[in-house]
Amino acid sequence: NAGVTQTPKFQVLKTGQSMTLQCAQDMNHNSMYWYRQDPGMGLRLIYYSASEGTTDKGEVPNGYNVSRLNKREFSLRLESAAPSQTSVYFCASRGEGQGGEQYFGPGTRLTVT
Amino acid sequence: AQRVTQPEKLLSVFKGAPVELKCNYSYSGSPELFWYVQYSRQRLQLLLRHISRESIKGFTADLNKGETSFHLKKPFAQEEDSAMYYCALNSGNTPLVFGKGTRLSVIA
Repeated sequence: NAGVTQTPKFQVLKTGQSMTLQCAQDMNHNSMYWYRQDPGMGLRLIYYSASEGTTDKGEVPNGYNVSRLNKREFSLRLESAAPSQTSVYFCASRGEGQGGEQYFGPGTRLTVT
Repeated sequence: AQRVTQPEKLLSVFKGAPVELKCNYSYSGSPELFWYVQYSRQRLQLLLRHISRESIKGFTADLNKGETSFHLKKPFAQEEDSAMYYCALNSGNTPLVFGKGTRLSVIA
């Protein structure tokens, strides 16, 4: 099992450009998440999807959109990138039930100039 | 509202010294708590969960409902323990609530 995979690993964008971060999991999890990680700010939840066909805003959704394409895939789109969106982005998925471990992807390091 | 507080952003200890990373939570129900670790430029990975009552890499954490705490402890720190540590709370069918993290630096 590959677990949670993310593409790309690195990306540099100019202000105003758009891009989509891809995430996939092969653990048959219903729940998937997108976080951003900034120094001193910890992990902040951008959007999540509790099941295929549903998405909900997290703590910092402005400037982002998401698509739960199917049970495996959950993408994050930046329509018009801004320097404030320079960050490391992590995708995660989690199984149900007590003790359900949350698995993280390797991250995408995004720089917006 | 559910909340996880990790009061220390940075904790520096000498190799061989005891380590305690603090975590306090706010939740009215029955909590389920986790510790995640992130080594330099790697993904977060689960270190331990309170329901397992296990010791991983020498780390233990006990849930204290009276003090609403889930502190992470290790009796003798090693250089390879240097990492970012996150405490997380599962409050049901909602996303995990993460603390802001504590960076542990073990000095040789």
